[in-house]
Amino acid sequence: DGGITQSPKYLFRKEGQNVTLSCEQNLNHDAMYWYRQDPGQGLRLIYYSQIVNDFQKGDIAEGYSVSREKKESFPLTVTSAQKNPTAFYLCASSDGQLSHHEQYFGPGTRLTVT
Amino acid sequence: SQKIEQNSEALNIQEGKTATLTCNYTNYSPAYLQWYRQDPGRGPVFLLLIRENEKEKRKERLKVTFDTTLKQSLFHITASQPADSATYLCALDMGTDKLIFGTGTRLQVFP
Repeated sequence: DGGITQSPKYLFRKEGQNVTLSCEQNLNHDAMYWYRQDPGQGLRLIYYSQIVNDFQKGDIAEGYSVSREKKESFPLTVTSAQKNPTAFYLCASSDGQLSHHEQYFGPGTRLTVT
Repeated sequence: SQKIEQNSEALNIQEGKTATLTCNYTNYSPAYLQWYRQDPGRGPVFLLLIRENEKEKRKERLKVTFDTTLKQSLFHITASQPADSATYLCALDMGTDKLIFGTGTRLQVFP
């Protein structure tokens, strides 16, 4: 059963703590993406990776970090430097390094920081 | 910078009618334009892609048009059903390595 998974679905953290969101895909896709979605706003790109051991900052990378040590995994760490971390986080993958390839999304992780 | 506009107000239509959603953009025309469906609390699902040199694309009850003169794409769902109720997102590919997403339009189909 191929797909992209994110865990956990809901995550609660205290302010000042770092937290890591998991994203795994078994689609053999080269490219992976992290987005943040807030009410009334579109998906905003945090980081993306087109190949293992390489990644680029998106439009709102401040306060976040990623790694791409394996093709199938692209974890996102929300650091304490992120000023407004509460949001719905979506991971996606695509089978090409060109963005016109359709993106497959995971189910999302809703992070609440208090 | 490139901006995308989708109607933030929900679109309410009766079952069986055709739903038409609009995606407007500024500045340069994208090389490709994609449409996604998103249900509450879930990730978006890809529906259709249309290229810059294509005027229209169809898939079952779905139809997408792309007018580079008007800088607009229209997304149509014919014979709409309550199960079509969701938020629909358009996304632009400017020929770079990432997409620009709109805020989405919520469609509500009532019986």
